[in-house]
Amino acid sequence: KNEVEQSPQNLTAQEGEFITINCSYSVGISALHWLQQHPGGGIVSLFMLSSGKKKHGRLIATINIQEKHSSLHITASHPRDSAVYICVFQRAQGAQKLVFGQGTRLTINP
Amino acid sequence: DAGVIQSPRHEVTEMGQEVTLRCKPISGHDYLFWYRQTMMRGLELLIYFNNNVPIDDSGMPEDRFSAKMPNASFSTLKIQPSEPRDSAVYFCASSLAWAGVSNEQFFGPGTRLTVL
Repeated sequence: KNEVEQSPQNLTAQEGEFITINCSYSVGISALHWLQQHPGGGIVSLFMLSSGKKKHGRLIATINIQEKHSSLHITASHPRDSAVYICVFQRAQGAQKLVFGQGTRLTINP
Repeated sequence: DAGVIQSPRHEVTEMGQEVTLRCKPISGHDYLFWYRQTMMRGLELLIYFNNNVPIDDSGMPEDRFSAKMPNASFSTLKIQPSEPRDSAVYFCASSLAWAGVSNEQFFGPGTRLTVL
């Protein structure tokens, strides 16, 4: 069983729509990251969460430690939000290893 | 700061050749990470260093891969001998810390490796 499940794998939406990407995990974690990878390949760290909610511009990330679930929301989506979004978590115990979600490919059409 | 610097940006080599990828982390960052990204496997952590010391290399695929960090401002990832299945984009990232608010990772632009 995968330790992390990210959904959906692909998402196409119209400009202006509200977007939600989900990440569920099955082990104890110390922190969870959301990464954004643009079509050109560059990777940017959007958020690091260990509890609660963080907001940056039109992006909002939430995490529920009890339910082992995190979501990334994009409000008023724009074509420039088109990218692959990846959740990554750090295990709380054992080897300090990062576990990666499969990624969600988001396409926002004008 | 210029961010994480990687070189070369693109590398094309023939099977059997030695390949060396280079990374300069952000000054002051104690952690350095090497990742590999392929279409099949996505993003994978290969190895990471803390204060120039390798901490976890369990992601290194096999003995053909080796990584060093001789000082705080430089790291190499070497593949010898290279094989076509090593073709991927290799990212280097650095962060101030592992836990807490300072562990945001900053990624380099990546090195696209093609082994013919």
